[in-house]
Amino acid sequence: DTGVSQNPRHKITKRGQNVTFRCDPISEHNRLYWYRQTLGQGPEFLTYFQNEAQLEKSRLLSDRFSAERPKGSFSTLEIQRTEQGDSAMYLCATSVRDTGELFFGEGSRLTVL
Amino acid sequence: EDQVTQSPEALRLQEGESSSLNCSYTVSGLRGLFWYRQDPGKGPEFLFTLYSAGEEKEKERLKATLTKKESFLHITAPKPEDSATYLCAVQARYSGGGADGLTFGKGTHLIIQP
Repeated sequence: DTGVSQNPRHKITKRGQNVTFRCDPISEHNRLYWYRQTLGQGPEFLTYFQNEAQLEKSRLLSDRFSAERPKGSFSTLEIQRTEQGDSAMYLCATSVRDTGELFFGEGSRLTVL
Repeated sequence: EDQVTQSPEALRLQEGESSSLNCSYTVSGLRGLFWYRQDPGKGPEFLFTLYSAGEEKEKERLKATLTKKESFLHITAPKPEDSATYLCAVQARYSGGGADGLTFGKGTHLIIQP
């Protein structure tokens, strides 16, 4: 499978715990994006990387959120001290050029109890 | 602030009954407008990019059009497999503060009944 891969697909955690999601992009795609989607809403932009450089962060990305993309390959999104409001689908998307034609993974669904 | 409003929120059609979905947008200089399809529990799947007013794109039973204020996704003689949520998104021209992320609407949930 040469698509965008996200793990884990589902995560249930207790409030206050830390969680980490991983995204493996399509190999030749140098741009990688993280979005968050809640029920009945469209995806909301969180952050994006060009290769290993994090070039933009949304105001939605609080200090509890951190994203990395070491060596410009896979990326991780960590949420520290989770809150119930963090419950959402976290989507990773990649692209090869500066266009809005994004290839999305199937997402990682987070439930915070 | 960029805004995207989609209507209707939900639409139920009979198989073969053509219709249109609307996407109204406000953006500080449009770089591109995008349509995506999303099936339940999956990530969005890219359909079309439109760059300028008057542009049209077609794919099978779908046709997307663009004006200066809105875009339409026309669905001709739909089939049950066209059932999905259709998302519209805009990308603004670079504003100095960073604008590479897409701004999505809430989507239109389309159900095609056999």
